Amino acid sequence: AQSVTQLDSQVPVFEEAPVELRCNYSSSVSVYLFWYVQYPNQGLQLLLKYLSGSTLVESINGFEAEFNKSQTSFHLRKPSVHISDTAEYFCAVSYGGATNKLIFGTGTLLAVQP
Amino acid sequence: DTGVSQDPRHKITKRGQNVTFRCDPISEHNRLYWYRQTLGQGPEFLTYFQNEAQLEKSRLLSDRFSAERPKGSFSTLEIQRTEQGDSAMYLCASSFQGYYGYTFGSGTRLTVV
Repeated sequence: AQSVTQLDSQVPVFEEAPVELRCNYSSSVSVYLFWYVQYPNQGLQLLLKYLSGSTLVESINGFEAEFNKSQTSFHLRKPSVHISDTAEYFCAVSYGGATNKLIFGTGTLLAVQP
Repeated sequence: DTGVSQDPRHKITKRGQNVTFRCDPISEHNRLYWYRQTLGQGPEFLTYFQNEAQLEKSRLLSDRFSAERPKGSFSTLEIQRTEQGDSAMYLCASSFQGYYGYTFGSGTRLTVV
């Protein structure tokens, strides 16, 4: 079955420390990978995506994620977090097809402490 | 581009009542999706429209749920005879055909009491 696993439900980290949020997906020939961020009582905002090409993708606010086909992973990293990065982060995968629906993981709460 | 709009933002209803939510996608987007998100979970796919045609429905969409997208513009999601298990955030998203990655609305939070 197609699935996305985010093993860490919550990641506490101090401000200015580095962080990694883990994401693994069930293997497939071709996948499209996404990270979304959700602030309280809001919808999801696209943070970054991997469709093809370079396996390292970056967002405008300092996050990056690396597609690793052999490990079926798409971990999200940031070298130095801010209080404002506190939010729920969701990894999602599309296996293509006519619908292009997304399958989401259960999310990781990034809790940045001063 | 005013983004994806959803109305209402919050809805409290008594069990057994019917509710209807509205989604206005980005005007140029021909694809529209409905997802449901329960507490502590990621969004789950409910249904998909391409223009006015509903092309896929999840098994999560019981016969109490119905969605429409007349004229390929706004969409409505109706839940009949609501149950407490329907309490969730209902998210709408839209995209261009062939574009990977959606724009989500802020969602409608439904509480069934």
